Amino acid sequence: QVQFVQSETEVKKPGASVKVSCEASQNILANYAIHWVRQAPGQSFEWMGWLSAGTGRTKYAEKFHGRVTITRDTSAKIAFMELSSLRYEDTAIYYCAAVIGSPGGLFAFDVWGQGTLVTVSS
Amino acid sequence: QSALTQPASVSGSPGQSITISCTGTSSDVGIYDYVSWYQQHPGKAPKLIVYDVTNRPSGVSNRFSGSKSGNTASLTISGLQAEDEADYYCSSYTSSGTLLLFGGGTKLTVL
Repeated sequence: QVQFVQSETEVKKPGASVKVSCEASQNILANYAIHWVRQAPGQSFEWMGWLSAGTGRTKYAEKFHGRVTITRDTSAKIAFMELSSLRYEDTAIYYCAAVIGSPGGLFAFDVWGQGTLVTVSS
Repeated sequence: QSALTQPASVSGSPGQSITISCTGTSSDVGIYDYVSWYQQHPGKAPKLIVYDVTNRPSGVSNRFSGSKSGNTASLTISGLQAEDEADYYCSSYTSSGTLLLFGGGTKLTVL
């Protein structure tokens, strides 16, 4: 059973950047795309973008284009999401997620990290 | 405002059935069978309970079922149990630049 473990809580000032990591229990990122989704306090979810398996191509939601970067390390075990020019409204829990065991399920995330709280505060 | 519309809350008694709707448009729910449903308990990560409109991941109870008609998808939970009390979210692939939309979430209370 694949599991994701994310980095710890972050507190950042407006205008700064944050980099959140997501480590898989197996070297799977070469075979499965990794997605990042966030959830503001008391709110629903927003899909931010994904990094595809194999080629490592990225696709970002229009809202975050230019501010978000998703990468992975060469071991194909750790993925990163970096968000720049942070604003107060970026305060949220950030999750990594993947489609591992849902055959044919496009964007049906059956494996999630535990979430990383990012607080933007002056 | 979320792109997919869900009722803010629903409730039911143990043993009853409830249905949660998820209304989108002809750019998402209406044309793609890539609707998923998630269950989220407080302080926890979401859990996938339905994908591709009607399919259940391995290990998910058959008390959870999904359907779709036109621009509206639905999640039905039968034989309500106390542990079903949670927030439920739908999601759908979309032809817009966002690629994936979520509903605003529905809080299920088991009376």
